Amino acid sequence: NAGVTQTPKFQVLKTGQSMTLQCAQDMNHEYMSWYRQDPGMGLRLIHYSVGAGITDQGEVPNGYNVSRSTTEDFPLRLLSAAPSQTSVYFCASSYSGLAGEKLFFGSGTQLSVL
Amino acid sequence: GQQVMQIPQYQHVQEGEDFTTYCNSSTTLSNIQWYKQRPGGHPVFLIQLVKSGEVKKQKRLTFQFGEAKKNSSLHITATQTTDVGTYFCALGGTSYGKLTFGQGTILTVHP
Repeated sequence: NAGVTQTPKFQVLKTGQSMTLQCAQDMNHEYMSWYRQDPGMGLRLIHYSVGAGITDQGEVPNGYNVSRSTTEDFPLRLLSAAPSQTSVYFCASSYSGLAGEKLFFGSGTQLSVL
Repeated sequence: GQQVMQIPQYQHVQEGEDFTTYCNSSTTLSNIQWYKQRPGGHPVFLIQLVKSGEVKKQKRLTFQFGEAKKNSSLHITATQTTDVGTYFCALGGTSYGKLTFGQGTILTVHP
């Protein structure tokens, strides 16, 4: 079972470059989300989606764009990378996003912006 | 939004000692989840608590939900080196799709 798949695992960018972090799930989950993890700050929600064509902002959305054209995929776009976006990024999904559903996480993308 | 405080931030124990991490919310919660993240890994769901005063056990792990549903704890009895990692609480509020994570407690177990 693949579960939640994230690519790439590691990425180094220069300030101002753009890139897309990929996330795909094969569990037919309606809910998908992106978190960033920074030391001492836990996991902070960037954007989330409760179904194809529906996205919303989380706690720290600035500098990131998302779209959800299919149930399976939820890419995260950095339009102009900044050093403050150096972090570990996790994609997570659940069946519908209702309170009480457990999240399934991908293996993460470690991003460094120089 | 929801505020959550998780303490301690770090805990070093000798193998065999007990460990407890606490999670406190500024608001009454509908439920709380706990996750474990091994070093270099991703968070993995451990358990969910829903009822006031609820206590659940998983082998050496005991999870409690406060009577007022504003706090929770995770207690590990007789730690083992396999327990190392970061333990997160996650607050399920009323907002659909938004799970607020605590800062996490990093557990180190010395053999």
